[in-house]
Amino acid sequence: QVQLVQSGAEVKKPGASVKVSCKVSGYTLTELSMHWVRQAPGKGLEWMGGFDPEDGETIYAQKFQGRVTMTEDTSTDTAYMELSSLRSEDTAVYYCATGDGYYFDYWGQGTLVTVSS
Amino acid sequence: EIVLTQSPATLSLSPGERATLSCRASQSVSSYLAWYQQKPGQAPRLLIYDASNRATGIPARFSGSGSGTDFTLTISSLEPEDFAVYYCQQRSNWPKTFGQGTKLEIK
Repeated sequence: QVQLVQSGAEVKKPGASVKVSCKVSGYTLTELSMHWVRQAPGKGLEWMGGFDPEDGETIYAQKFQGRVTMTEDTSTDTAYMELSSLRSEDTAVYYCATGDGYYFDYWGQGTLVTVSS
Repeated sequence: EIVLTQSPATLSLSPGERATLSCRASQSVSSYLAWYQQKPGQAPRLLIYDASNRATGIPARFSGSGSGTDFTLTISSLEPEDFAVYYCQQRSNWPKTFGQGTKLEIK
């Protein structure tokens, strides 16, 4: 059984960066393809990016290209999502998610990122 | 990018009734479509994958159908715990997109 535990809530100023972590247990990170999904308050789910095991690369949604970086530390089985140049519209709950074949069976508990001056 | 359009935006029904939710893709996704349920304050839960396969532990009252561009999630007889928001998601192409959601509310 995969468990994903994310880092705590963050408050950031516009223009700053945030880095959210996602600790994996039950499996090793190398056995999984990690994705990140966000949800603004009262809004729907938005896929941000994820690992493509066929190419060995991370694919980002065009909307976030140049602002988002997804990395992994396999020594600690922890995935990271860093989003830069934050603006108020980036206020959202950020989820890590993984599963079979690009469907998401397992989700972290979510990390609320608030961007406010 | 494949756009998924869900309808209706809100569905008001009573417990025991049948719910039919729709998801339409802007281009064919074959059968590579999933459905998720999300309750307030919780992460989404996978219900259906590959259009018609129930995920582990999902009750038989949930069923999915469709292929190509038109998909349906059916809940045969609504239980009180089924009132939530439902999302479809395609894995056919990059980026892996979600629909905008259908809120199933108690009438």
